[in-house]
Amino acid sequence: DTGVSQDPRHKITKRGQNVTFRCDPISEHNRLYWYRQTLGQGPEFLTYFQNEAQLEKSRLLSDRFSAERPKGSFSTLEIQRTEQGDSAMYLCASSLRGQDNSPLHFGNGTRLTVT
Amino acid sequence: AQKVTQAQTEISVVEKEDVTLDCVYETRDTTYYLFWYKQPPSGELVFLIRRNSFDEQNEISGRYSWNFQKSTSSFNFTITASQVVDSAVYFCALIRLQGAQKLVFGQGTRLTINP
Repeated sequence: DTGVSQDPRHKITKRGQNVTFRCDPISEHNRLYWYRQTLGQGPEFLTYFQNEAQLEKSRLLSDRFSAERPKGSFSTLEIQRTEQGDSAMYLCASSLRGQDNSPLHFGNGTRLTVT
Repeated sequence: AQKVTQAQTEISVVEKEDVTLDCVYETRDTTYYLFWYKQPPSGELVFLIRRNSFDEQNEISGRYSWNFQKSTSSFNFTITASQVVDSAVYFCALIRLQGAQKLVFGQGTRLTINP
């Protein structure tokens, strides 16, 4: 399978704990995105990378959130001191920067439940 | 600011009926892309179509067709002879051609096809 891969698929954690999610994009894609989706809503943009550079961060991304893409390949999203409001599906997507915007290809997501 | 509105929260039809999902968007940009994604119960967002703002030709792909009307800022999606497998949440989305690479989604329309 050469699609976008996310790990884990599900994560249940207690409030106050730290969690880290991983995303492996499609191998030739140089852009990587993180989105968050709550129940009944469309995905909301969190941040995106072009290669290893983080080019944009949403105001949704509080100080407790940090994303990295150290070698321009896989990416991690860490949430520190989780809160119940962080419960959501975290989606990763990748695309190829070219002369026009290639479609974003999404992974299956990581569903986070904070108890 | 960009905004995508999908006014239909839920639609339920009987198999073989035709169904149209509405999408209205707002943007100050003159160049942009519009997308439709399908999200089945498994959670993955599946890319269906991308349309450039310069290209107002309607498109047909099998049972799927899209009607892009720039004059009314609409990009509607029609499924002909619906099937149970079409049941999913469908999202319309918009991205600028230049500048911030942020895909803005609508709230989604939950489509249920009953046998």
